[in-house]
Parts: sequence; C-alpha cells; structure tokens
Amino acid sequence: DSGVTQTPKHLITATGQRVTLRCSPRSGDLSVYWYQQSLDQGLQFLIQYYNGEERAKGNILERFSAQQFPDLHSELNLSSLELGDSALYFCASSVDSFGTDTQYFGPGTRLTVL
Amino acid sequence: GDSVTQMEGPVTLSEEAFLTINCTYTATGYPSLFWYVQYPGEGLQLLLKATKADDKGSNKGFEATYRKETTSFHLEKGSVQVSDSAVYFCARGLMYSGGGADGLTFGKGTHLIIQP
Repeated sequence: DSGVTQTPKHLITATGQRVTLRCSPRSGDLSVYWYQQSLDQGLQFLIQYYNGEERAKGNILERFSAQQFPDLHSELNLSSLELGDSALYFCASSVDSFGTDTQYFGPGTRLTVL
Repeated sequence: GDSVTQMEGPVTLSEEAFLTINCTYTATGYPSLFWYVQYPGEGLQLLLKATKADDKGSNKGFEATYRKETTSFHLEKGSVQVSDSAVYFCARGLMYSGGGADGLTFGKGTHLIIQP
C-alpha cells in the first residue's frame, strides 16, 4: 500500500459525458501527478500540481483539467469523453517537486467509455 | 525528443535464471532514473532508483547502475523467482537547471514471465 488513494476504482460512462477522478496523496506529500496508461500510448504524464498550484504540464488534452485543493487532494476532470479516453488513470504523489523525488502511485481508476 | 527505450518482451525465463532488461534514455537536463514494477491489477511500485551518474540502485535482489557514458540503466537480477513475474517500467525524471521539474517519462514496459 503506497498511501495514495484514488476513487472510484472503476468508472463506466458514455461518449460525450464528463467525469471526475479523485486522488488523495500520501500524508505529507505536496506534489500530485496524473498519468494516463493505455495500450497504444503506454504511460503518459498529464499534469502536476504542487501545493495547490499547477507546476508542469505534459500531454494533457484541452478537454481535461485538474486542480489541487487546500487539503492537497486533487481531482482530474475529463469532459466530452471519447472512446479513445478509455484507459487507466493513475495519480502519484511526492514530497516535493524535484525530478529526483520518488513518486508513489495509487491503484488507479479504470475508465471505460462506451 | 527526450525518451526512454526499453525492450518490450514478453521476456520468458525459467526460475533461477539471470535477468537483464535493457533501458536507455535521452535527456537534455539532469535526469534521475527509476525502475517501477506493476503486478497484475495493481498500481506501480518503485523498485529502485539512481539520481546521479555511477549510482547503483538496488532492492529485493534487483540492481541497476546509472551509466552516463552509455545513457543506460539496465535492470539485473541474478536469480529470478516466479513471484518476479510482472511488468517492469524504466522511467526518467528531469530537474532543470532553474529548479523546475517535470513528470516522469516512462518506457513502454517489459512483461516478464518466470516459469517454474
């Protein structure tokens, strides 16, 4: 158990819909990262927040957005969903925001878009 | 662009065999290197890491040495067990000279199957 929690574990929805994925970091960690894992693209970095502020952006679509709240939990919002958005979405957390930091991963949310 | 390349497999070995999974990287900053393992239905777990050239990371019998001259971070284990069957990901973390950082860049993952 990494100490990172994600809800829900599974999510099934239809094209065009909007969903919100939630992540709680390990106690004491200030950085939260979101990743997408799919068969064709592999594991891709989406976005990072540090202590409530956006710190780095990866391959995140404009239909996707995220935020980190004062209690440090984070939400990833996915809108106008397409079939290709079906994937595993992982959240990770680290103490700080340095590239040398170990990132601890949650169990993931499996999103299925029908 | 910057990337991480690893053999994709599947790699099938017999129990007690020697394991090597190759990983090479490109980077323009100051990379740290990681190996993560993913067991079926689970998230990624850190296996080992190295933060500067010539560092050796080790854990649970696995080792990897950060080789700057060959831009490599190959994973090795002397005697694998059935319980080592999983997907292994090599990853690179960058910290830029200005102090900023980026998310991890992962290789495609290597599916390792150990047969009794």
